[in-house]
Amino acid sequence: AQSVSQHNHHVILSEAASLELGCNYSYGGTVNLFWYVQYPGQHLQLLLKYFSGDPLVKGIKGFEAEFIKSKFSFNLRKPSVQWSDTAEYFCAVCLDTGTASKLTFGTGTRLQVTL
Amino acid sequence: NAGVTQTPKFRVLKTGQSMTLLCAQDMNHEYMYWYRQDPGMGLRLIHYSVGEGTTAKGEVPDGYNVSRLKKQNFLLGLESAAPSQTSVYFCASSYSVRSNYGYTFGSGTRLTVV
Repeated sequence: AQSVSQHNHHVILSEAASLELGCNYSYGGTVNLFWYVQYPGQHLQLLLKYFSGDPLVKGIKGFEAEFIKSKFSFNLRKPSVQWSDTAEYFCAVCLDTGTASKLTFGTGTRLQVTL
Repeated sequence: NAGVTQTPKFRVLKTGQSMTLLCAQDMNHEYMYWYRQDPGMGLRLIHYSVGEGTTAKGEVPDGYNVSRLKKQNFLLGLESAAPSQTSVYFCASSYSVRSNYGYTFGSGTRLTVV
C-alpha cells in the first residue's frame, strides 16, 4: 500500500526565514502529488499539485514544490515565510491508476511562524 | 457559494448513542469521501463513493456506515458511538476519476464521544 512520510512534525521559523518541508512517498509507479494547507480552525485547502510535466510546480501564496522521482520526494518550499503562513501542512499522494482516486495523506507538519 | 457543506459543525455524544453526519456538495462531483483527522495521524479515509448508490471502504471503516442515495449527499453514520471515534470528520468531493483535480473539503465536524 502506498504511504506518505512527513518527517518534520513541528517547525518553528521566524518571519522572512526560508521554509522547506519534507515529503516522501512509497510507491514505484506513477503518482499524483499534492500539498494541502489547513489554517487554524479551517478546512484543508489545496496549495499545489503535480501530476506530470515540469517537476517544479508553483502554487498559491508563493509556495513551490519539487518532485524528485529518484528520491520519491515532493518537498514544499517557500523563500520567505510570513506570520500568516502559520498552519498545518499535509502532503498527499494518489496512485494514477485511472480508477477512483483516493488520496493518502501524511501525518502533517505544523508550521509556526514567529514575528 | 459553491462547495462542500457539512452538518453539524460540533456534536457531543454519549457512548452508545448514534448519529448521522451529512455532507452535501453542489458542484455535481461524482466522487465523495469521508476522512477523520486525529492529532499526529493526519487524515485517514473512512469510506468513499464513486457515484450515486455506490460506496466502498477506506482505511478505517470499522464502526461507521455510509450511504449515497443522492449524488449530492454523502451520509456518515455511527450506530453506536465509542470514545475512540472522538475526532474531526472531513468530507471531500472531487470531479474526476483522475486525482489531478484535487479535492474540495468541507469545514469539518468536531465530534466528541464521552
